[in-house]
Amino acid sequence: DVKVTQSSRYLVKRTGEKVFLECVQDMDHENMFWYRQDPGLGLRLIYFSYDVKMKEKGDIPEGYSVSREKKERFSLILESASTNQTSMYLCASVAFGENIQYFGAGTRLSVL
Amino acid sequence: RKEVEQDPGPFNVPEGATVAFNCTYSNSASQSFFWYRQDCRKEPKLLMSVYSSGNEDGRFTAQLNRASQYISLLIRDSKLSDSATYLCVVKPGNTPLVFGKGTRLSVIA
Repeated sequence: DVKVTQSSRYLVKRTGEKVFLECVQDMDHENMFWYRQDPGLGLRLIYFSYDVKMKEKGDIPEGYSVSREKKERFSLILESASTNQTSMYLCASVAFGENIQYFGAGTRLSVL
Repeated sequence: RKEVEQDPGPFNVPEGATVAFNCTYSNSASQSFFWYRQDCRKEPKLLMSVYSSGNEDGRFTAQLNRASQYISLLIRDSKLSDSATYLCVVKPGNTPLVFGKGTRLSVIA
């Protein structure tokens, strides 16, 4: 069974902290994605990666960075968390050439 | 113009009713189309792909109209468990999926 695991379901951080959100998939997928989801705004793509050590900016990359050192792991980094980054963060993966995206359960981040 | 547009709802329907959602997309080069379902406080999951000739999966029917650039989802004999947000999703070529903001459905006993 397909599995995308996000390290935390809930996270509370303070303004200015460096935050790491981890995502691991066990399906040997090449492509991985980070989204944030906010009420009324839907899913917005932050960054994605088509291969190890590769990254591409999505629609809203400002304030975020990513790391893909291993194929199965894609990390989202908030260098200096701000209150407007309070959101639900969703990781997803998909095999190369395929279209069906599998999501993790999400991390609900609150920045105080 | 937004890439994928949906009526946010909510659609409140009684059990057993038939309900239809539409979605429009702006990129005429889009090649693949899907409906995802998202339950409250859960992650989106694929409901069904949408094929050019239209396709059915049990009580669910999806249709694509390329000329008018819209996709529809029809749910027959609604169940309480159908209550969720339905996301219209489009793949414009060799780029990431584009998600609509979703249409919320509440099926009422």
